[in-house]
Amino acid sequence: DAGVTQSPTHLIKTRGQHVTLRCSPISGHKSVSWYQQVLGQGPQFIFQYYEKEERGRGNFPDRFSARQFPNYSSELNVNALLLGDSALYLCASPGQSLAEAFFGQGTRLTVV
Amino acid sequence: DAKTTQPNSMESNEEEPVHLPCNHSTISGTDYIHWYRQLPSQGPEYVIHGLTSNVNNRMASLAIAEDRKSSTLILHRATLRDAAVYYCILSWGSNTGKLIFGQGTTLQVKP
Repeated sequence: DAGVTQSPTHLIKTRGQHVTLRCSPISGHKSVSWYQQVLGQGPQFIFQYYEKEERGRGNFPDRFSARQFPNYSSELNVNALLLGDSALYLCASPGQSLAEAFFGQGTRLTVV
Repeated sequence: DAKTTQPNSMESNEEEPVHLPCNHSTISGTDYIHWYRQLPSQGPEYVIHGLTSNVNNRMASLAIAEDRKSSTLILHRATLRDAAVYYCILSWGSNTGKLIFGQGTTLQVKP
């Protein structure tokens, strides 16, 4: 049973560009959450999606958006990239018990 | 969202027990206590969770104070592979769709 998979693993973008990050949750699991982790800090909650609907949103600007597809995979989109968007972006999916979240390895985004 | 407070860093010797404290004085009755850890260059990893009673699993034990305003993660015999950042997190109900991470405790394990 594959865990949470994210792509790409690393990405370098220029200020002002747009980026799309992808996540596949644990097979058959309907919920996906996105987090941003800036160097030296704990992960910060961005979005939760369940059954293709947004169930929660953290304190992030409208430049950040996400969606979930019928197969429960998800995309995180960030427009008009800023240097401060450089971070590790993590995707998480709850396990069978819902009380245990499984995280992917993350996508390291560098904005130059 | 209820907040947790943890020491910034702790040190332990290999093969000795480690007690990682967490204060959560504003916890509500429906908040679960979760512990995750993050090894360098990896995503966070679930360790343990509980509501009121002490919990044990293959990785660790969780001791919860009677008033639930604090908890302690216990690693019974620290190994070098336990060196990580440990996060104490509260969640509304048992749903882990939205986890609010703090700064965590960086655990160093000395051989």
